[in-house]
Amino acid sequence: DIQMTQSPSSLSASVRDRVTITCRASQDIRSDLGWYQQKPGKAPKRLIYAASTLQSGVPSRFSGSGSRTEFTLTISSLQPEDFATYYCLQYNSYPLTFGQGTTVEFK
Amino acid sequence: QVQLKQWGAGLLKPSETLSLSCAVYGETFSGFYWSWIRQTPKKGLEWIGEINHSGMTNYNPSLKSRVSILVDTSKNQFSLKLSSVTAADTAVYYCARRVGQRWPVDYWGQGTLATVSS
Repeated sequence: DIQMTQSPSSLSASVRDRVTITCRASQDIRSDLGWYQQKPGKAPKRLIYAASTLQSGVPSRFSGSGSRTEFTLTISSLQPEDFATYYCLQYNSYPLTFGQGTTVEFK
Repeated sequence: QVQLKQWGAGLLKPSETLSLSCAVYGETFSGFYWSWIRQTPKKGLEWIGEINHSGMTNYNPSLKSRVSILVDTSKNQFSLKLSSVTAADTAVYYCARRVGQRWPVDYWGQGTLATVSS
C-alpha cells in the first residue's frame, strides 16, 4: 500500500493567515492526488484534484501543488468558514489511501 | 445534480454482517466507479473497495476476505456487505463516486454510523 503522511496533524491560525499543509507519498504517485475539506458531521468535500486543479466552485484562495511524492495544499488567506479538517487522497494505485488529516483550528 | 443516498442497519452484534445500500440520483450509473469508504477517529478515512457498472470490483486487501460489493444497475444502486464484524468495524460508512480509475472521489453519500456492540 502507498502510505500518505500528512503534516502537521493540527495547526492554529487566525483569519487572513496563510496556511500550508503537506502530504508525502511513500512512492511516486505522479499527480494522482486530491485534497478534501471535512466539517464535523459532514462528508468530505473535494477541493483539488490532479494535485493542482481547483474543483469548480471552490474559492481561489485554495491551491494545490506538487508531484511524485510531495504535495502541498495552501490557503492563501484563511476565512472563518475554512476552519475544518483537511485530507489528502492518493488514487494512483489500489488500495486508495488517505492522509491522517490536518485540523485547522482558530488561534 | 448528483446525489448519493445511503441506508442500512446501524447497530450490529459481533460476528454479524453489516449491510449498507446506496442509491444514485441525477446521473447515469454506467461509466463510473462506485466506492465504499469508512471513517473512524482512530484510523481516519479508509477506502474499503469499489465496483463499476459492469460488476468489476477492487477491494482493500486488509478487508478483502470479509467484503462484498454488488451493483444493481436496474435500480441505480450498489451495496456493501462486511461479514464477521467486530468492534473495530464501528465507523461512519460513506458511499462515493469516482469518474474513473485515475480520478479521485467527487461525490459522497451522507454517511451512516454503524456500531458493533454486544
